[in-house]
Amino acid sequence: NAGVMQNPRHLVRRRGQEARLRCSPMKGHSHVYWYRQLPEEGLKFMVYLQKENIIDESGMPKERFSAEFPKEGPSILRIQQVVRGDSAAYFCASSPYREGYEQYFGPGTRLTVT
Amino acid sequence: QQQVKQSPQSLIVQKGGISIINCAYENTAFDYFPWYQQFPGKGPALLIAIRPDVSEKKEGRFTISFNKSAKQFSLHIMDSQPGDSATYFCAAGANNLFFGTGTRLTVIP
Repeated sequence: NAGVMQNPRHLVRRRGQEARLRCSPMKGHSHVYWYRQLPEEGLKFMVYLQKENIIDESGMPKERFSAEFPKEGPSILRIQQVVRGDSAAYFCASSPYREGYEQYFGPGTRLTVT
Repeated sequence: QQQVKQSPQSLIVQKGGISIINCAYENTAFDYFPWYQQFPGKGPALLIAIRPDVSEKKEGRFTISFNKSAKQFSLHIMDSQPGDSATYFCAAGANNLFFGTGTRLTVIP
């Protein structure tokens, strides 16, 4: 059973460009969570999605950030007009349970904004 | 506001010793308390988790102790090994997880 897959693993963008981060959950998992991790810090919750639905986006910045989890295909975290402060590691996690239990993390995407 | 407070920030333990990491939470609605292990450049890996209906859970060398009244829980790593050297995160939540700021554990041979 393959784990959570994320791509790309490393992404470099210039200020003002768009960043698209992809996450394929574990087989059988229909709940996806996105987190951001700054150097030497813990993970900060961003958004929780089920197929075709955003369940909780309370941790998402109000502007430039969006997420989706379509019926087919991976979940996408999209950052428009990136700024230097967006540089971080972005992790997604998947779970077979609705309540946030047993979240399994992918390897992360390290975004660098130059 | 930090929902979950973790200490210490770093910890050095001799091989064979016991590593203890502590966490405290505020929200009494939290009902799931996992611990994650993260190696540099990798994603966090679920290590062990506990629900508030038990006070202790043990899996191999790893034990979670949970004190509901004090709103605290801790991770104990028995017989610590150099391979345990990593950053450990506690988390707590109900519908989503709030993470502590991490403890960098170094086990000296």
